[in-house]
Amino acid sequence: AAGVIQSPRHLIKEKRETATLKCYPIPRHDTVYWYQQGPGQDPQFLISFYEKMQSDKGSIPDRFSAQQFSDYHSELNMSSLELGDSALYFCASSLQGGGNQPQHFGDGTRLSIL
Amino acid sequence: AQKITQTQPGMFVQEKEAVTLDCTYDTSDPSYGLFWYKQPSSGEMIFLIYQGSYDQQNATEGRYSLNFQKARKSANLVISASQLGDSAMYFCAMREGDSGGTSYGKLTFGQGTILTVHP
Repeated sequence: AAGVIQSPRHLIKEKRETATLKCYPIPRHDTVYWYQQGPGQDPQFLISFYEKMQSDKGSIPDRFSAQQFSDYHSELNMSSLELGDSALYFCASSLQGGGNQPQHFGDGTRLSIL
Repeated sequence: AQKITQTQPGMFVQEKEAVTLDCTYDTSDPSYGLFWYKQPSSGEMIFLIYQGSYDQQNATEGRYSLNFQKARKSANLVISASQLGDSAMYFCAMREGDSGGTSYGKLTFGQGTILTVHP
């Protein structure tokens, strides 16, 4: 079965640079979520989109922005990168409606800031 | 206040034995969902099992079962017949506002439990 695809898998940037992370949800999934997992931490919710509209916002820095496109893929744009942004960034997708619809996660993008 | 609490930073179990990973939660929302995810050292996040707050029976998925005690606000994961490949970090997570048809809900995770299975 198709899974959530994230690219790139690894990314190395320097401070103050920008980065763009991409996410391709499972086909027919209408909701996309972004999470940030720092070293040794649990994942923290950043932002979500339902049918291409932002549906919820968590602890996402103002330096970050995200959008969902007409083909449902999503991009997380990160600017003025800081050392503390080094983390594993997950995208997850699900069918809206709660119930027994779990969020399926991609393999993550590991971002390292030098 | 912490919404999801996993009090066991690390657990050890012998291969083929059963193990219980603890999870307690805190919410005032009558409709919520509880999830368990497995994160191997390679980093991916794998969905294991789901329990809805209105579900009458405990969820089961193969060797995984969820011991759901609503009054105590606990949702412990039971892994039967442990295998070496079960060694990983395990996260309990909650989605609030889980009533049918309306949830966009983000997941709130606990701190995780590292499970090590010994041969």
